[in-house]
Amino acid sequence: NAGVTQTPKFRVLKTGQSMTLLCAQDMNHEYMYWYRQDPGMGLRLIHYSVGEGTTAKGEVPDGYNVSRLKKQNFLLGLESAAPSQTSVYFCASSSRGASTDTQYFGPGTRLTVL
Amino acid sequence: RKEVEQDPGPFNVPEGATVAFNCTYSNSASQSFFWYRQDCRKEPKLLMSVYSSGNEDGRFTAQLNRASQYISLLIRDSKLSDSATYLCVVTLFSGGYQKVTFGTGTKLQVIP
Repeated sequence: NAGVTQTPKFRVLKTGQSMTLLCAQDMNHEYMYWYRQDPGMGLRLIHYSVGEGTTAKGEVPDGYNVSRLKKQNFLLGLESAAPSQTSVYFCASSSRGASTDTQYFGPGTRLTVL
Repeated sequence: RKEVEQDPGPFNVPEGATVAFNCTYSNSASQSFFWYRQDCRKEPKLLMSVYSSGNEDGRFTAQLNRASQYISLLIRDSKLSDSATYLCVVTLFSGGYQKVTFGTGTKLQVIP
């Protein structure tokens, strides 16, 4: 039982490049989340999903897109990376919503945009 | 004013000491409250939920004060392994929209 995994662990991009971060969970959770963590800012919710085929915007969605084609996977896309998107990205999942249930986090992806 | 505010610390305490952290929140409609722990360069992990009646888990006690809009975490008999950053989390679900707000964290260093 791997829990929540994230791919890749590290990535360096040039401004304007695109990439997709993959999050996978094997706990059959309905809810999945993407956060970014920056120094002095705390974790901020980018997008989330309440089930397969659904997505919703969080606090800081601009510049990101997401898809949840399969229940176990939640993809985060950057179409045209900017230096302001340099951050640590965490994916999380929960059985029910974050208001009522534990969020299980992946190990994070460290992204640098030059 | 930030939606969720925590004293960033660091709190440097000797082993065996008792230490308390507070977290204030601005939205009185907030519904659920949690403490997460994050070790350096690792992912956050749930420490405990916070209930209106207060709750205890071993050496850890969490309290919620809705009137003053803050939650607290008390750690008794601090261990070296308690050294970490403690994140307060406040959530709200309204109108079909999920809002999850993390504090910036309070860093605890337990000293031998």
